[in-house]
Amino acid sequence: KNEVEQSPQNLTAQEGEFITINCSYSVGISALHWLQQHPGGGIVSLFMLSSGKKKHGRLIATINIQEKHSSLHITASHPRDSAVYICAVREFGNEKLTFGTGTRLTIIP
Amino acid sequence: DAGITQSPRHKVTETGTPVTLRCHQTENHRYMYWYRQDPGHGLRLIHYSYGVKDTDKGEVSDGYSVSRSKTEDFLLTLESATSSQTSVYFCAIDMRGGAIPGELFFGEGSRLTVL
Repeated sequence: KNEVEQSPQNLTAQEGEFITINCSYSVGISALHWLQQHPGGGIVSLFMLSSGKKKHGRLIATINIQEKHSSLHITASHPRDSAVYICAVREFGNEKLTFGTGTRLTIIP
Repeated sequence: DAGITQSPRHKVTETGTPVTLRCHQTENHRYMYWYRQDPGHGLRLIHYSYGVKDTDKGEVSDGYSVSRSKTEDFLLTLESATSSQTSVYFCAIDMRGGAIPGELFFGEGSRLTVL
């Protein structure tokens, strides 16, 4: 069974800090998703990765397939980045995603 | 924007009553999913569909059924609601263009409380 572990579970940082959220998984995957959920809000897809690195604005996502690990980075963090960030992985040939329990990020002005 | 809406957004019901949640998309994406989100758990798959009348079970399908009679609508039914089904339910679509899975797009969520 695929296990998806995120760290840290909770993270509080000052505005402007560089943020890193980690995701580790246990089986081979075809894709990894990073999602964002604001308090009381819906879920938004940030990235889908199968290799390498992607960048969108201040967000950067990387994946190391050999080490079964992905990171989500936020540069110049802002209070509006406060949200829960969720990692999800799709195993090869499987329609079912396995989700991590999320990292709650709080950015203090 | 995949134009996905869920209804109702909030519902309070009593144990033993039937409940149906609706997920509607304005585009013709084949793959649709129903998840539940509970504190301490990641999103868990209830059922999914890969086309009209084509559905399959997820990891927490007991007590739930689904139907997809039209591409745009994916219905989740609780035949006899229980308190353990109190949760937030999310519908999602896979925006793939062919066989390779694509980006996910989620509905706003439906908060169900079973008393």
